[in-house]
Amino acid sequence: AQSVTQLDSHVSVSEGTPVLLRCNYSSSYSPSLFWYVQHPNKGLQLLLKYTSAATLVKGINGFEAEFKKSETSFHLTKPSAHMSDAAEYFCVLNRDDKIIFGKGTRLHILP
Amino acid sequence: EAGVAQSPRYKIIEKRQSVAFWCNPISGHATLYWYQQILGQGPKLLIQFQNNGVVDDSQLPKDRFSAERLKGVDSTLKIQPAKLEDSAVYLCASSLGLARGVDTQYFGPGTRLTVL
Repeated sequence: AQSVTQLDSHVSVSEGTPVLLRCNYSSSYSPSLFWYVQHPNKGLQLLLKYTSAATLVKGINGFEAEFKKSETSFHLTKPSAHMSDAAEYFCVLNRDDKIIFGKGTRLHILP
Repeated sequence: EAGVAQSPRYKIIEKRQSVAFWCNPISGHATLYWYQQILGQGPKLLIQFQNNGVVDDSQLPKDRFSAERLKGVDSTLKIQPAKLEDSAVYLCASSLGLARGVDTQYFGPGTRLTVL
């Protein structure tokens, strides 16, 4: 069975410090993996996606994620947090059109 | 480029009533998705259409939920009769549908349903 686990429901970082949002997956075969962001009162927006090409994926707004098959992880990082990064982030697995969202991680940015 | 449109944005109904949601995808997008997002949880895929055919409806509670996508463009999702546990945000998304499993989904603003 396929699954996605976001290890933290809430993450708080200070503005200007690094961000790490963790995602682990379970899949019998190599899936496609995505990170989406949901700002308050706005629709979900794609940050980045891994589709079996380069394992280090760069996305919008300075975010990137690394696919690690040996660790079954797809963690999202950003070197320096900005106040506008405060939002909910979802890790998503897609294997043969079976789409599974993680429960989400709410990122808080402290001034 | 216009985004995914959904209506209504908010709906409040009594339990056992019926409700319908409408979605207009981005022009040219072959794939359309309906999700249910309960407060504090990630979206759960209810049904996925490729043009006007159903790709996956394994998580759609078929005893009360129905969806259609006539002519492969707009779609409606109906709940009849509604239960308290159906209170959620219903999200519609669309994608080009060219590459299975790797498409970027574009989401609408959602319809917030409250069942009293």
